[in-house]
Amino acid sequence: GIQVEQSPPDLILQEGANSTLRCNFSDSVNNLQWFHQNPWGQLINLFYIPSGTKQNGRLSATTVATERYSLLYISSSQTTDSGVYFCAVLPSGTYKYIFGTGTRLKVLA
Amino acid sequence: KAGVTQTPRYLIKTRGQQVTLSCSPISGHRSVSWYQQTPGQGLQFLFEYFSETQRNKGNFPGRFSGRQFSNSRSEMNVSTLELGDSALYLCASSLEEDTEAFFGQGTRLTVV
Repeated sequence: GIQVEQSPPDLILQEGANSTLRCNFSDSVNNLQWFHQNPWGQLINLFYIPSGTKQNGRLSATTVATERYSLLYISSSQTTDSGVYFCAVLPSGTYKYIFGTGTRLKVLA
Repeated sequence: KAGVTQTPRYLIKTRGQQVTLSCSPISGHRSVSWYQQTPGQGLQFLFEYFSETQRNKGNFPGRFSGRQFSNSRSEMNVSTLELGDSALYLCASSLEEDTEAFFGQGTRLTVV
């Protein structure tokens, strides 16, 4: 089955720093989403981005489907950005999202 | 508009018991899927329903089952609970099967 790899697994930043999170996937996908999991466990939608580039405030994402990767950019990080970021892909011909193992981000004040 | 609602939020059960979790999707969404999250295995797909039909099932034993009602609400049931079933169970809904998925707050199940 499809493999989804996220890097780095852990990231510690000072407040105000920028970061790039990466998601590689091993096969063609219909959809890709980025989520932020809050401390209570809920997955918060960041981007629905099967291809192209999107921006939402300090966050932006780019997916290059032909090269099978997606990037999540966080600029001017804040302590509230801390948490786990997941990439999830919907492989072609299936109805189930496959999640990466996540990037655990900690932003220090 | 209201998001995906999961009930209950927390649950403690004893080994051998069974449990039923509920998920109400966003109004108008017809696809509902369930995921299990554990520290060791990460987020794993359980099953997906669309218009009351289960279209995909993950690699879980038969003790895990689910259903979807005509109003798109879904339930999942776990029978003969084991300690390893302790997890966060997340439900997601989407308009169609390949559109953006939105997740509920989850049900945290502890089996003792």
